[in-house]
Amino acid sequence: QVQLVQSGAEVKKPGASVKVSCEASGYTFINYYIHWLRQAPGEGLEWMGVINPSVGRTTSTQQLQGRITLTRDTSTSAVYMELSSLTSDDTAVYYCARGPISSSWHFDFWGQGTLVTVSS
Amino acid sequence: QSALTQPASVSGSPGQSITISCTGTSSDVGGYNYVSWYQQHPGKAPKLIIYDVTRRPSGVSNRFSGSKSGNTASLTISGLQAGDEAEYYCSSYRSSISVVFGGGTKLTVL
Repeated sequence: QVQLVQSGAEVKKPGASVKVSCEASGYTFINYYIHWLRQAPGEGLEWMGVINPSVGRTTSTQQLQGRITLTRDTSTSAVYMELSSLTSDDTAVYYCARGPISSSWHFDFWGQGTLVTVSS
Repeated sequence: QSALTQPASVSGSPGQSITISCTGTSSDVGGYNYVSWYQQHPGKAPKLIIYDVTRRPSGVSNRFSGSKSGNTASLTISGLQAGDEAEYYCSSYRSSISVVFGGGTKLTVL
């Protein structure tokens, strides 16, 4: 069965960086995009960016460009999201989610979420 | 302020039908058939219930259906059940490779 397993909760100080991992299993890793989304406490969902695991190409939302780095390791079927220059506004649950590479944009399987807390 | 507009809350009694609207622009909802809907229970990850406007993933009840007219998409849930009480989010592809979401609609089953 398809599974996306994320790394554990993190507490970071303002100005620091955080790196969250997402390990995929149960399907052919390179055949699907991996997206990153986040949800601030009590708020809605925000799409952050996407990586094509086959070629490593990434796209991210304009608001995060310059702060977000998406990478992948095809040998371990893992994707990583690093966010730098953290502020309290980055406190959120971060999700990885699988999406089709073909002509559709949706997220059919989600990780369990990783809480990132930014606090001094 | 979210890119797509959803009502903050809707409610219905068991067995009834409800519809949640999701209004965007010609750059997202109106321009592409890439509207999807997610159900989220408290403390859980979202679950895909509708994609490509009208398609249901395997395993999702046929009580959930989607549609679109112009810049507004809709999710209809028929035969409401207690387990349907959750937050519902719409999402759409937006031009220049981006995805936008609605602010979420809290469904209360009375």
